Amino acid sequence: GAVVSQHPSRVICKSGTSVKIECRSLDFQATTMFWYRQFPKKSLMLMATSNEGSKATYEQGVEKDKFLINHASLTLSTLTVTSAHPEDSSFYICSARDPALRTSEIQETQYFGPGTRLLVL
Amino acid sequence: KQEVTQIPAALSVPEGENLVLNCSFTDSAIYNLQWFRQDPGKGLTSLLLIQSSQREQTSGRLNASLDKSSGRSTLYIAASQPGDSATYLCAVRGTGNQFYFGTGTSLTVIP
Repeated sequence: GAVVSQHPSRVICKSGTSVKIECRSLDFQATTMFWYRQFPKKSLMLMATSNEGSKATYEQGVEKDKFLINHASLTLSTLTVTSAHPEDSSFYICSARDPALRTSEIQETQYFGPGTRLLVL
Repeated sequence: KQEVTQIPAALSVPEGENLVLNCSFTDSAIYNLQWFRQDPGKGLTSLLLIQSSQREQTSGRLNASLDKSSGRSTLYIAASQPGDSATYLCAVRGTGNQFYFGTGTSLTVIP
């Protein structure tokens, strides 16, 4: 099946630094990727929709300047947490949809990455 | 905005018991509903996907049902095993392709 990877899987950084998280679709082209955030013992919250070649669409309450999303190619979306602070510590997960799959139930499945755990000290 | 709720938040059962997890959503205009499993500190594992036109899906000891009109889904786990211990998330897919996740049910199966 389709695979989505994330890098890094875990990152620790100092407060005030910026951290970039990559989401890659390994064997398909994803025109749309989604970024989610999960607080400890909470569910996943959609942060933004990343569209290849255009600006990301952010959910209400998500700071665009804080969480920079770039979808420069059909296989890569990046999330940059700028000037990270301890409250940004969280589990970030991306998902990708393969628009080429249109003939079976599989077309409705999104593929989730394994997640990136960010700890800001 | 779509809101997804799961009941109970936590559940502890002895091994071998059958159990039901509940999921409700406020907007019935969904594309599909999916149940996921998440182990501590890990990503998501897709368990079952139900299209909006379907009523249920089965995979092994798992059976998921969907009543779109009432905004409800259930996940039935038969003959539970300690390896089933995890957090179970339901998620509805909106017309914009994004997922709205439920609050999760933390399941512990006691040997």
